[in-house]
Amino acid sequence: EAGVAQSPRYKIIEKRQSVAFWCNPISGHATLYWYQQILGQGPKLLIQFQNNGVVDDSQLPKDRFSAERLKGVDSTLKIQPAKLEDSAVYLCASSAGLNGELFFGEGSRLTVL
Amino acid sequence: GNSVTQMEGPVTLSEEAFLTINCTYTATGYPSLFWYVQYPGEGLQLLLKATKADDKGSNKGFEATYRKETTSFHLEKGSVQVSDSAVYFCALSDAGGGNKLTFGTGTQLKVEL
Repeated sequence: EAGVAQSPRYKIIEKRQSVAFWCNPISGHATLYWYQQILGQGPKLLIQFQNNGVVDDSQLPKDRFSAERLKGVDSTLKIQPAKLEDSAVYLCASSAGLNGELFFGEGSRLTVL
Repeated sequence: GNSVTQMEGPVTLSEEAFLTINCTYTATGYPSLFWYVQYPGEGLQLLLKATKADDKGSNKGFEATYRKETTSFHLEKGSVQVSDSAVYFCALSDAGGGNKLTFGTGTQLKVEL
């Protein structure tokens, strides 16, 4: 069974530029999550989708971050404009149920200069 | 709000040594508790979980017991192997479920021959 796929794995941009990350969850998983992991910290939930609807985006900085999950499968997370403090690893995860078992991708590492 | 505190790393042990990684939490109600592990070059994956007080989660020789009285969920293994070298994250989910996980900062374990 294929795992959660993310791309790109690494991205370096200048501040005020934009960037987009893509995620393809495990087939059949209805719930998709984007987490931000800053160096030295644990992952922090940015947004949670159930199919193509948003369940929780309370910690998403909506002035610069946006995410969508068209057709309830793939998802894209965008940052525009980027700030230095956005340097982090962006993790995508998916789950089939609500038992706490999330399946994570390898992450996309963003460096903002 | 919910929070998870785990011991700082890195932790360096010799093979066959006993491992304890401390984790304490703050939460309202009765959250579920988890340990996730991230091996080098891979995404986070669920190691074990416990959903109610006094439950013991176990997997791959690792164990953790949900202690409500001390709000703790310490991870233990009797004899570590080099292949256990990874970063370990303690996490909890809201008592109401929904898969919204709050993670600790992670503890890096390095096991040497």
